[in-house]
Amino acid sequence: NAGVMQNPRHLVRRRGQEARLRCSPMKGHSHVYWYRQLPEEGLKFMVYLQKENIIDESGMPKERFSAEFPKEGPSILRIQQVVRGDSAAYFCASSLKTRAGELFFGEGSRLTVL
Amino acid sequence: KQEVTQIPAALSVPEGENLVLNCSFTDSAIYNLQWFRQDPGKGLTSLLLIQSSQREQTSGRLNASLDKSSGRSTLYIAASQPGDSATYLCAVKYSGGGADGLTFGKGTHLIIQP
Repeated sequence: NAGVMQNPRHLVRRRGQEARLRCSPMKGHSHVYWYRQLPEEGLKFMVYLQKENIIDESGMPKERFSAEFPKEGPSILRIQQVVRGDSAAYFCASSLKTRAGELFFGEGSRLTVL
Repeated sequence: KQEVTQIPAALSVPEGENLVLNCSFTDSAIYNLQWFRQDPGKGLTSLLLIQSSQREQTSGRLNASLDKSSGRSTLYIAASQPGDSATYLCAVKYSGGGADGLTFGKGTHLIIQP
């Protein structure tokens, strides 16, 4: 496991469908962050998770978006009933240490909503 | 409000020149500051991480400085090469409350002319 792995790399959904994005952190990392990059915008923090716990979801839209990081398996970012405004690149990052740790990013998942 | 600003938004220089990218942040209460590189359609590559107790970090032709009191960081690139063309992102981990994630600037789009 050389780095943070995200899949799918590209996802196309029609309005109203669900999108599930997966992230496997670097080996040994138990801290996972999700960010969203809208076209022509900077990266915006969405949610910070540790195994089985959501630590900070202050950047997550209140509706339709949810995230989890189960004891086994990858972290999942789930978007229900997608709308065109959800089209963006979604990046996952992991770190070894909380707070002051260096973040390592995946290649991102690019969601297009038709 | 905790923000990060990067100047200039875009920069184009001939190959071989030394250059400086600027980053400013609004609150001196930080854990660390991290510089990233992002190529088109790709993820983020971590370049340098400066902890709040440090003044600078160096990696090859890159040198990053941190001045917490003035809320500024610079990324110095020596002897620029066409392969350095990318968007450079500055991100701050604030410690004085607010979200747990990094706060990103909008980036400097750098083009090195062969």
